Amino acid sequence: DIQMTQSPSSLSAYEGDRATITCRASQNISSYLNWYQQKPGKAPKLLIYAASTLQSEVPSRFSGSGSGTDFTLTISSLQPEDFATYYCQHSYSTLWTFGQGTKVEIK
Amino acid sequence: QVQLQESGPGLVKPSETLSLTCTVSGGSISSYYWSWIRQPAGKGLEWIGRIFSSGSTNYKSSLKSRVTMSVDTSKNQFSLKLVSVTAADTAVYYCARVAITMVWGGFALPFYTMDVWGQGTTVTVSS
Repeated sequence: DIQMTQSPSSLSAYEGDRATITCRASQNISSYLNWYQQKPGKAPKLLIYAASTLQSEVPSRFSGSGSGTDFTLTISSLQPEDFATYYCQHSYSTLWTFGQGTKVEIK
Repeated sequence: QVQLQESGPGLVKPSETLSLTCTVSGGSISSYYWSWIRQPAGKGLEWIGRIFSSGSTNYKSSLKSRVTMSVDTSKNQFSLKLVSVTAADTAVYYCARVAITMVWGGFALPFYTMDVWGQGTTVTVSS
């Protein structure tokens, strides 16, 4: 199975800061990369698919980039509701994998 | 609006079988893939597998020998069975709908996402 590695595992930032999370695949996955946001006690929510396409109703401060093995999720200006854990997930093959998650905390 | 609801025993004994059902409401189960995902307390998400409404399946390699998924289109439900459970199978179990979105970049490519999720159900493996 393809392995997905996120970094950092956690980051602390102020409201209004720019946050960047990276995700690396163990092999070329083209643009078959999704990002999810999860808040405590809640199910994950789809943010971005195809590496850079925003899911409907997701704020434009979220953006995704990358292809091949290296991908980035950027939050341009952190809002209080953005403090959560973020996961990447590939859908390149028939067997999918999540990254281990990145927790974004308030500084 | 499609909604998913997981159901099943919250406590399973070691070596026994974990059985969960996901009921789909507000839409048809047909012509979609459906997934199961789990999350141990304080840990990350683990994709378990997916099933198409026709019954074809794909399972995570490390769980393949213990997992069976099935679908009942007449009840608009799909199910997960995990045999020979241990404490390591204790987790919140989520079901999710898999959407296929065509993205055009010279030609159309299908992209798969888990776009609708159930609220999750906690399963504890303990004697």
